[in-house]
Amino acid sequence: NAGVMQNPRHLVRRRGQEARLRCSPMKGHSHVYWYRQLPEEGLKFMVYLQKENIIDESGMPKERFSAEFPKEGPSILRIQQVVRGDSAAYFCASSQTGTGNNSPLHFGNGTRLTVT
Amino acid sequence: QKEVEQNSGPLSVPEGAIASLNCTYSDRGSQSFFWYRQYSGKSPELIMFIYSNGDKEDGRFTAQLNKASQYVSLLIRDSQPSDSATYLCAVGRGAGGYNKLIFGAGTRLAVHP
Repeated sequence: NAGVMQNPRHLVRRRGQEARLRCSPMKGHSHVYWYRQLPEEGLKFMVYLQKENIIDESGMPKERFSAEFPKEGPSILRIQQVVRGDSAAYFCASSQTGTGNNSPLHFGNGTRLTVT
Repeated sequence: QKEVEQNSGPLSVPEGAIASLNCTYSDRGSQSFFWYRQYSGKSPELIMFIYSNGDKEDGRFTAQLNKASQYVSLLIRDSQPSDSATYLCAVGRGAGGYNKLIFGAGTRLAVHP
């Protein structure tokens, strides 16, 4: 499968625990975007990363949330000390280039986080 | 005012009819426009993108863009029950030279036999 790979598909955490969500972009893509979707709502931009660089994190909550895209390995979205309000579907998308108009975003299947 | 606005629906059309989905956006600097389809519990799937004013056709789908009116639409001809899904309009702001997309909340389409 050459698409965007996210894991796990479902993640259950108790309040106060840490959640780690992983995303491997499509082959040949070096630009990764994380979005959050609450039930019955649209996708909300969180962060845009290139390899080893955070380009835009304007949609990330200031506390508890962090993201990285290391030189080797998948992109990681990390949520510390989770609260019930963090329960949502988290989608990762990748694009071939980050500039210009020829880079539609391709989405992974998402990670559905449930905080109990 | 939301940056990207869509009627939440549901938009109900009979099988074989034309479904018309509309979207308005607030940032006049927006440069790229996308329609995604999302089935319940699934990931968004790219249907079409459009960059220039006018119409763009792909099979049963036609995207229409009017930058002066800040309006983009998606027409689905010969609607099928399998088209029943939520359709997300997304706008590329182009700020900083990268394709960060802002999404509308989506319009639910129901095609009934």
